[in-house]
Amino acid sequence: QVQLVESGGDLVKPGGSLRLSCAASGFTLSKYYMSWIRQAPGKGLEYISYISSSGRTLYYADSVKGRFTISRDNAKNSLYLQMNSLRDDDTAVYYCAREYYGRFDSWGQGTLVTVSS
Amino acid sequence: AIQLTQSPSSLSASVGDRVTITCRASQGISSALAWYQHKPGKPPSLLIYDASNLQSGVPSRFSGSGSGTDFTLTISSLQPEDFATYYCQQFNSYPFTFGPGTKVDIK
Repeated sequence: QVQLVESGGDLVKPGGSLRLSCAASGFTLSKYYMSWIRQAPGKGLEYISYISSSGRTLYYADSVKGRFTISRDNAKNSLYLQMNSLRDDDTAVYYCAREYYGRFDSWGQGTLVTVSS
Repeated sequence: AIQLTQSPSSLSASVGDRVTITCRASQGISSALAWYQHKPGKPPSLLIYDASNLQSGVPSRFSGSGSGTDFTLTISSLQPEDFATYYCQQFNSYPFTFGPGTKVDIK
């Protein structure tokens, strides 16, 4: 069955960096657009980045543009999010999600990123 | 970016109640709308796509309707496992956006 498993979340100081990973199984990753979506404590869902199936088209929300980089390795069935210059307001649960004709039909369980001094 | 609003932001209901949640888009999005259920500690789960199509495995008490700018999620008879937060999401154009959510709790 389709499975997405995130890892890499941690406690990090403001200004620090983290790399999140999302391991995909049960489907051919190279056929799908993939996204990162986050939820800050007490807040709603925020769509922060996507990458096309080929990796050539990228999108970043203004809140993370210039600081976060999305990438994928289809051969390794993996999606990544490199997060630099982390701020307090990046504290959130980060989900990777598979996009299928616009809807997100599969989600990982989430990984918690806490930015605090 | 297309903005989505939801109403109400929260509601209290009893088991067996009929519940209706509304989502409004800032511009027409045809039927490019999905609904998700989100429970604490779990990932969101897709309920409805293309405004009215039930995702496989989702109980038939959930239904969606609407097109253009106004959409509705209806739970025909609320069950204990339905207490959660519900989000709409548009995929008419990038960047995709989510509504702010509607929390359904127990009266």
